[in-house]
Amino acid sequence: GQSLEQPSEVTAVEGAIVQINCTYQTSGFYGLSWYQQHDGGAPTFLSYNALDGLEETGRFSSFLSRSDSYGYLLLQELQMKDSASYFCAVRDPGAAGNKLTFGGGTRVLVKP
Amino acid sequence: EAGVTQFPSHSVIEKGQTVTLRCDPISGHDNLYWYRRVMGKEIKFLLHFVKESKQDESGMPNNRFLAERTGGTYSTLKVQPAELEDSGVYFCASSQDLGQYSGQFFGPGTRLTVL
Repeated sequence: GQSLEQPSEVTAVEGAIVQINCTYQTSGFYGLSWYQQHDGGAPTFLSYNALDGLEETGRFSSFLSRSDSYGYLLLQELQMKDSASYFCAVRDPGAAGNKLTFGGGTRVLVKP
Repeated sequence: EAGVTQFPSHSVIEKGQTVTLRCDPISGHDNLYWYRRVMGKEIKFLLHFVKESKQDESGMPNNRFLAERTGGTYSTLKVQPAELEDSGVYFCASSQDLGQYSGQFFGPGTRLTVL
């Protein structure tokens, strides 16, 4: 079946670094996406990795290892506004489509 | 550029009633997706439109759910009759996918409560 595993919750202080791991098992794979969602808000696209390696976008970086079916999102210089849920999602060709299969989400709590 | 919008933001109905959710994608986006998140579970794919055609409806839970996208612009998702287990947040997303993948853009969701 399709499954993505990520930790349910992480707590850290302002200025710290947090790494959210994601392991996946899906029938199809185009790439791994990361989304941020604040309570009551829309999931917001953060990054996408189709190839192995590290993608850096400001304070956030994302890594993919296709051979290990593993990726992570790295949040650096944590700020209070980074408190949110973070979802990994596999871009899956599906039935000739382009659907996302999501993990359960990791709630990140940033403390002063 | 306006983002994906959804209406209503909240809906509370009784079991057996009908509810219709609406999604307006980002202008020019041919791809439109519906997802939902029921309490405590992950966000799950429902279906994918390319323009007005259903590309993939493998995630639709049963025939009480009907999605349409007449004219290839906005989409509606009707639940008839609603059951208690349909409660959750229904998200719509859109994408263009020309050349390099640039992600799916999500709306704020419709929170559906079935009593």
